[in-house]
Amino acid sequence: NSKVIQTPRYLVKGQGQKAKMRCIPEKGHPVVFWYQQNKNNEFKFLINFQNQEVLQQIDMTEKRFSAECPSNSPCSLEIQSSEAGDSALYLCASSLQGSGNTLYFGEGSRLIVV
Amino acid sequence: GDKVKQSPSALSLQEGTNSALRCNFSIAATTVQWFLQNPRGSLINLFYLVPGTKENGRLKSAFDSKESYSTLHIRDAQLEDSGTYFCAADSGGSNYKLTFGKGTLLTVTP
Repeated sequence: NSKVIQTPRYLVKGQGQKAKMRCIPEKGHPVVFWYQQNKNNEFKFLINFQNQEVLQQIDMTEKRFSAECPSNSPCSLEIQSSEAGDSALYLCASSLQGSGNTLYFGEGSRLIVV
Repeated sequence: GDKVKQSPSALSLQEGTNSALRCNFSIAATTVQWFLQNPRGSLINLFYLVPGTKENGRLKSAFDSKESYSTLHIRDAQLEDSGTYFCAADSGGSNYKLTFGKGTLLTVTP
């Protein structure tokens, strides 16, 4: 069973508000991923880290999100100004390696933007 | 079109019966992972596959990279197998991100 911990489980924000989610990866896993799952079950890769360094991120993440994985603290993903289209389940996953390794997911943070 | 196509999109099974889910890839998948998403939202990893097959209890999965598909067989379906099954492909290299299918919603009925 996965030991990736995500908080909060739910958050409700108004348009234009900041929305921050946190993730504690499995112990010993240096690689962390964030995915967005929308109501149509489409997964969008947002960003990944190896230790504290960003490996890859999409354009949207770079422009509208703030994300970090500091050492000895939870990783975080923050939307700077929430939009209705950001309503989704945000899933964090960790793995031992970036490629060629099993991903372990948390239960996600469900964001509703009203 | 979808890079990872899952079929069927929904499936209803009676307890004790068998079935198979399938993923077809239009990307050069090097590894495949299968997940079950439970009602809480958590994605439980079922299999990590390089080309070949794996078995775990009532589940068996195969990945054929040459023919670009993967299957997940469920034997003797149980109520707790209900949920949404996703496959996800990794095309290797320095691109670490997985490409997911849109899932198969499985409902197991008594």
